[in-house]
Amino acid sequence: DSGVTQTPKHLITATGQRVTLRCSPRSGDLSVYWYQQSLDQGLQFLIQYYNGEERAKGNILERFSAQQFPDLHSELNLSSLELGDSALYFCASSVGASGTNTDTQYFGPGTRLTVL
Amino acid sequence: AQSVTQLGSHVSVSEGALVLLRCNYSSSVPPYLFWYVQYPNQGLQLLLKYTSAATLVKGINGFEAEFKKSETSFHLTKPSAHMSDAAEYFCAVSGTGNQFYFGTGTSLTVIP
Repeated sequence: DSGVTQTPKHLITATGQRVTLRCSPRSGDLSVYWYQQSLDQGLQFLIQYYNGEERAKGNILERFSAQQFPDLHSELNLSSLELGDSALYFCASSVGASGTNTDTQYFGPGTRLTVL
Repeated sequence: AQSVTQLGSHVSVSEGALVLLRCNYSSSVPPYLFWYVQYPNQGLQLLLKYTSAATLVKGINGFEAEFKKSETSFHLTKPSAHMSDAAEYFCAVSGTGNQFYFGTGTSLTVIP
């Protein structure tokens, strides 16, 4: 158990809908990262937040947005969903802002999104 | 820009044999390199990381990796495979901009 929690575990929805994925980082971690894992695209970095502020952006679509709240939990919002958005979405957390350098990123168990 | 290439999407070894998973990186700056393991239906777990302190990095579960700048490689090895090592392994590189790039993964099968 990494200490990172994600809800829900599974999510099934229809095209055009909007969903929210939730992540709670490990106690004491200030950075949260979101990743998308799909068969055709592999594991892709979406976005990073540090202490409530956006820190780095990866291959995140404009239909997707995220935020980190004062209690440090984070939400990833996916809107106007398409079939191709079906994937595993992982959240990770690390202590500092430069988590991609020397800090270890701890991954949650993921949310499996299925768009029908 | 940074990227990693993992050679071999599937690797099979016999139990007790050497495990060698290949990773080559591309980076315009001194890289930080990582190996993660993903067991079925689980998140990723860090095996080891290279942060320029030592070229031979030892990780958990008996894995190690050697950073070779001249070959731009960071291959993962384990002297003796166990059945429990069967999983998906990902190499990743980070650099400027706090971006984190994963390889496409290598699925390791251990044959009893």
